[in-house]
Amino acid sequence: GAVVSQHPSWVICKSGTSVKIECRSLDFQATTMFWYRQFPKQSLMLMATSNEGSKATYEQGVEKDKFLINHASLTLSTLTVTSAHPEDSSFYICSARVGGVKADTQYFGPGTRLTVL
Amino acid sequence: KQEVTQIPAALSVPEGENLVLNCSFTDSAIYNLQWFRQDPGKGLTSLLLIQSSQREQTSGRLNASLDKSSGRSTLYIAASQPGDSATYLCAHCMNTGFQKLVFGTGTRLLVSP
Repeated sequence: GAVVSQHPSWVICKSGTSVKIECRSLDFQATTMFWYRQFPKQSLMLMATSNEGSKATYEQGVEKDKFLINHASLTLSTLTVTSAHPEDSSFYICSARVGGVKADTQYFGPGTRLTVL
Repeated sequence: KQEVTQIPAALSVPEGENLVLNCSFTDSAIYNLQWFRQDPGKGLTSLLLIQSSQREQTSGRLNASLDKSSGRSTLYIAASQPGDSATYLCAHCMNTGFQKLVFGTGTRLLVSP
């Protein structure tokens, strides 16, 4: 149980285009989802916290107009990288937090590798 | 600002050795601390979670301890195996409404046969 999927697993796009990444909790409802970014040989950095039905909370230094997050249902959050540039190339990982008695645990997706040419 | 540091950054050991990975954090007001494993190009697998009220957790060959007063956690791996080769990340959960995770810098472990 507690599986989180991401789609696509990798994407290559041209500079200036927009890319949407989906994060789904497959067998549980996630009231909160988190989006992280990981550059090569670096640790995960939290980008934003997404709660179902409300606006995402962005970390300092993360442009909310560039990284659009939508959490329309309890099982789906999307991250759209608008007007992507080569410096946005990174590994994007989402996680989903289970509510209730297991609220301590975040379950991570397998990640999406974004390469912007 | 909370900072999480892991030492060593990289570790190479022969199979069978017992080893200790270290994690230190600057803010002791944590909710819990977790250890994760990340294989190259993959997502994260949760290994152990220690609540702020606990001192340690064990799972198989893994044992994690937490000392809030000194801002330290250690991950002990007994009888290491080549399959243990991965990057190990510690992360502490902030005591906020959203329970955000702050990740450490990671330790890249290589266990050679």
